[in-house]
Amino acid sequence: AQSVSQHNHHVILSEAASLELGCNYSYGGTVNLFWYVQYPGQHLQLLLKYFSGDPLVKGIKGFEAEFIKSKFSFNLRKPSVQWSDTAEYFCAVNPADDYKLSFGAGTTVTVRA
Amino acid sequence: NAGVMQNPRHLVRRRGQEARLRCSPMKGHSHVYWYRQLPEEGLKFMVYLQKENIIDESGMPKERFSAEFPKEGPSILRIQQVVRGDSAAYFCASSHDSKTNYGYTFGSGTRLTVV
Repeated sequence: AQSVSQHNHHVILSEAASLELGCNYSYGGTVNLFWYVQYPGQHLQLLLKYFSGDPLVKGIKGFEAEFIKSKFSFNLRKPSVQWSDTAEYFCAVNPADDYKLSFGAGTTVTVRA
Repeated sequence: NAGVMQNPRHLVRRRGQEARLRCSPMKGHSHVYWYRQLPEEGLKFMVYLQKENIIDESGMPKERFSAEFPKEGPSILRIQQVVRGDSAAYFCASSHDSKTNYGYTFGSGTRLTVV
């Protein structure tokens, strides 16, 4: 079974700082990769996804992620965060032909104004 | 165009009581998935249902947990005789088909607290 590791449990940064959240997975086959975000009191929203093609994926709200197959990584980045980016971020993976998502434990991001 | 609706948002139950969590999928979605998030952990798959059928319940605890998705009405996750270890956030997701090419649409979750 695949597993997903998110490197940081809690990240605190100031507005305009750059953000990078690490995500590594263990699975030898072809995978689909996702980043979800959950703002306080809201539902999980899909930020971006990767299935194939360009390994640099752009999502909503200025986020992007890069798939590095050799490192089994799918790190999330944003060049300049805003206070409204305060949320919990989840990396998720599934084998390309499966419906079951495996999630990381999540990273809580707190952006100070 | 309502998304996936879960209710209640918060549920408190005493040990030994029953918990019923409801999930209404997005309009046009006939596939429902339940996930559980224990404290300090990621979401874990529990069960996958289509209308009136359980397709995969490999993530469901063997006892006390059951799920259904009737022809009419929401999907229900039922936990009988709850224990403190059942305290968690339960998320429901729906999709148009069984492939995740477009990503699931998740609900806001139900936070169950067992006291």
